[in-house]
Amino acid sequence: DTAVSQTPKYLVTQMGNDKSIKCEQNLGHDTMYWYKQDSKKFLKIMFSYNNKELIINETVPNRFSPKSPDKAHLNLHINSLELGDSAVYFCASSGHSGNTIYFGEGSWLTVV
Amino acid sequence: AQRVTQPEKLLSVFKGAPVELKCNYSYSGSPELFWYVQYSRQRLQLLLRHISRESIKGFTADLNKGETSFHLKKPFAQEEDSAMYYCALSGTSGFQKLVFGTGTRLLVSP
Repeated sequence: DTAVSQTPKYLVTQMGNDKSIKCEQNLGHDTMYWYKQDSKKFLKIMFSYNNKELIINETVPNRFSPKSPDKAHLNLHINSLELGDSAVYFCASSGHSGNTIYFGEGSWLTVV
Repeated sequence: AQRVTQPEKLLSVFKGAPVELKCNYSYSGSPELFWYVQYSRQRLQLLLRHISRESIKGFTADLNKGETSFHLKKPFAQEEDSAMYYCALSGTSGFQKLVFGTGTRLLVSP
């Protein structure tokens, strides 16, 4: 009964590769997010989608491209991975903007 | 601009001691404030939000608009409270993002 699920949980890949992280929520929420938690545990929003439309796009390199095929899914594709991309990426969703945000378990990305 | 400040990176206390995790915010309108907790290698979970005015796991937080603070308190810390605690802020109109503080690691020793 996982509310927000993301895959894979762990990903180790080489520099220069392209990888995707998938996220699905079964809460019926309209808004989904991607957050990045770096090695110092800082959490920062990357993107937010509402009903498949991009509404928040923080200063994130163009190598990161979110895709929302429907409002229950928000995938994150990363091109040409760099060492600095190593982090934990959290997917999240909320019913209405500003309401409680529910997080996935995180995807640990390690770029070597 | 929205900003959340958690001045302490680490707070170490003994079991049974009182705990206060500090959070100050900056926001031009009326924000909504939250505390999230992250236990070791787990997802972030909502601990409490200021509009609920409830106590979860013995924790409480009061929004002080004059001091722009939302400190998290617990009178008697337990070992299982050891975790990362994040204060977060969201606006209340339109599409708003949740802005997090830098987090405070609480370590409760026996």
